[in-house]
Amino acid sequence: QVQLQESGPGLVKPSETLSLTCTVSGGSIGSYYWSWIRQPPGKGLQWIGYLYYGGSTNYNPSLKSRVTISVDTSKNQVSLKLSSVTAADTAVYYCARGMGDFDHWGQGTLVTVSS
Amino acid sequence: EIVLTQSPATLSGSPGERATLSCRASQSVGSNLAWYQQKPGQAPRLLISGASNRATGIPARFSGSGSGTEFTLTISSLQSEDFAVYFCQQYYNWLLFTFGPGTKVDI
Repeated sequence: QVQLQESGPGLVKPSETLSLTCTVSGGSIGSYYWSWIRQPPGKGLQWIGYLYYGGSTNYNPSLKSRVTISVDTSKNQVSLKLSSVTAADTAVYYCARGMGDFDHWGQGTLVTVSS
Repeated sequence: EIVLTQSPATLSGSPGERATLSCRASQSVGSNLAWYQQKPGQAPRLLISGASNRATGIPARFSGSGSGTEFTLTISSLQSEDFAVYFCQQYYNWLLFTFGPGTKVDI
């Protein structure tokens, strides 16, 4: 059974870069798309972007200038970087498998942007 | 951007009752629509993809229907574990996936 686990700092200062890693276990990263999705506390879901294991990416236009998603196939990890964060970026960040419907999700990690 | 609208915002039900949740898209998404269930403190879980195909392990009491701009998720007989928030999501526009605001199903 494929499992996804997000990790990274839970607190980031305004204007800095948010960095998260998603480790995939129980299966290979290969041949799949991997997405990042976020959910501000008490609110709905926002798709951030996806990456194909070969390295091609697509990002939400509203975040595109600040987002980078990358892959380390040797470690079975997908990473998210979001630069110049503000309080509006405070959210639970999920990694998920897929680029259409998302069939496997990590448990999510709360990232708070605050000084 | 394809905007998804869900109704009702909250649905109050009792165990054993039938629940019908709606999702409307601002333009046609064909059958490229998924439904998710989210319980407090948990990640969303895929219920339905392709508008009507149950995901692996999803009970038969969950069914999806519709195409184009109008979609429905039906829970034929509510169980206690079904009380949660349900989101629809379109993946017709693969440059920008969007989610609906959710319907909360509570007692």
